[in-house]
Amino acid sequence: NAGVMQNPRHLVRRRGQEARLRCSPMKGHSHVYWYRQLPEEGLKFMVYLQKENIIDESGMPKERFSAEFPKEGPSILRIQQVVRGDSAAYFCASSPTGSSTGELFFGEGSRLTVL
Amino acid sequence: AQRVTQPEKLLSVFKGAPVELKCNYSYSGSPELFWYVQYSRQRLQLLLRHISRESIKGFTADLNKGETSFHLKKPFAQEEDSAMYYCALNTPSGGSNYKLTFGKGTLLTVNP
Repeated sequence: NAGVMQNPRHLVRRRGQEARLRCSPMKGHSHVYWYRQLPEEGLKFMVYLQKENIIDESGMPKERFSAEFPKEGPSILRIQQVVRGDSAAYFCASSPTGSSTGELFFGEGSRLTVL
Repeated sequence: AQRVTQPEKLLSVFKGAPVELKCNYSYSGSPELFWYVQYSRQRLQLLLRHISRESIKGFTADLNKGETSFHLKKPFAQEEDSAMYYCALNTPSGGSNYKLTFGKGTLLTVNP
């Protein structure tokens, strides 16, 4: 099992462009979480998805950010019209049971730099 | 609202010395707490959970509901313990699901 795969590992965008970050959960996991880590900050919850459903998006900024986890394919975090403040590391984690055991399996992260 | 506080950004100790990484939480329900660790160039991974009451790599953590704390301790630190440590609280997230709320992390450096 290759673990949670995120791509791209590094992404550079200019202000106003779109960023798409992908996450393939571990095999057999149907729960996906996205976290953002800003410089000097911890991991901030953004969104929790199951296949074709958004369970909790309480941590998502109200504008420009969206996430999906389709029936087939990876989960995607999409940031439209990026601004410098979006520069951060974005981590995806997956779980077979929705964190009821507290164990999430993390990817290596995608580092977004906005110029 | 739920919150996890790790008051120390950085902690530096010498090999063989005891180490304690502090974690305090704020939560109205029955807390489930965890410690995650990220070694250099590795992924964030679960270290231990309070419900298991186990010792992993010599680390233990006791939940103290009176002080709302879940400090991570090891009697004799090793150089390989150098890593970033995150305390996390499991909180409800839509129906019967949960999500983890993390503290800001403490970077532990164990010097030779």
